Amino acid sequence: QKEVEQNSGPLSVPEGAIASLNCTYSDRGSQSFFWYRQYSGKSPELIMFIYSNGDKEDGRFTAQLNKASQYVSLLIRDSQPSDSATYLCAVNMRGGSNYKLTFGKGTLLTVNP
Amino acid sequence: EAGVVQSPRYKIIEKKQPVAFWCNPISGHNTLYWYLQNLGQGPELLIRYENEEAVDDSQLPKDRFSAERLKGVDSTLKIQPAELGDSAVYLCASGTGGADIQYFGAGTRLSVL
Repeated sequence: QKEVEQNSGPLSVPEGAIASLNCTYSDRGSQSFFWYRQYSGKSPELIMFIYSNGDKEDGRFTAQLNKASQYVSLLIRDSQPSDSATYLCAVNMRGGSNYKLTFGKGTLLTVNP
Repeated sequence: EAGVVQSPRYKIIEKKQPVAFWCNPISGHNTLYWYLQNLGQGPELLIRYENEEAVDDSQLPKDRFSAERLKGVDSTLKIQPAELGDSAVYLCASGTGGADIQYFGAGTRLSVL
């Protein structure tokens, strides 16, 4: 069973702090990794993707990938109350002859003013 | 550029009734996905289309679910008959394939009574 694991949270951080969201995955052959943000009652919104080991930065967001450890993380610097949402980790995994985007259950982040 | 458009946004039906959901992908996106999302869970793939062809329908419950993508653009997902356990959000996403960056529509929230 191909899996993506995330802590469900809730993760609570004060405004201005760094929020760190973590994800592990089971398929060592996975090549592409995504972070989606989902506000309550809304659909998932792509915020970051990463393909290579190391860090990828986009504004206040940094995605980190370690394929040897099968670990991907998302750092949010200077967290704002508007960042409060569920963050979904998604990994493109092999399923037979197809690749399929497999999602974790998400981590609920709350940023307190 | 318009995003993925889904309709209806909400649907309430009684069990055993049929229901259909419609999706219009982002222009130029030849890959279309239907997902199901239960409360507190990540989206789960039901079916993936490449143009008109369903290339991965392994997770689609074919006894009651069907889908079509005529002319390789719009798609319809149908449930007949609906069961209480089908209550969920049905998400449509589109992408250009390959590395599978996917963009989601707003979803249809189905309640089966």
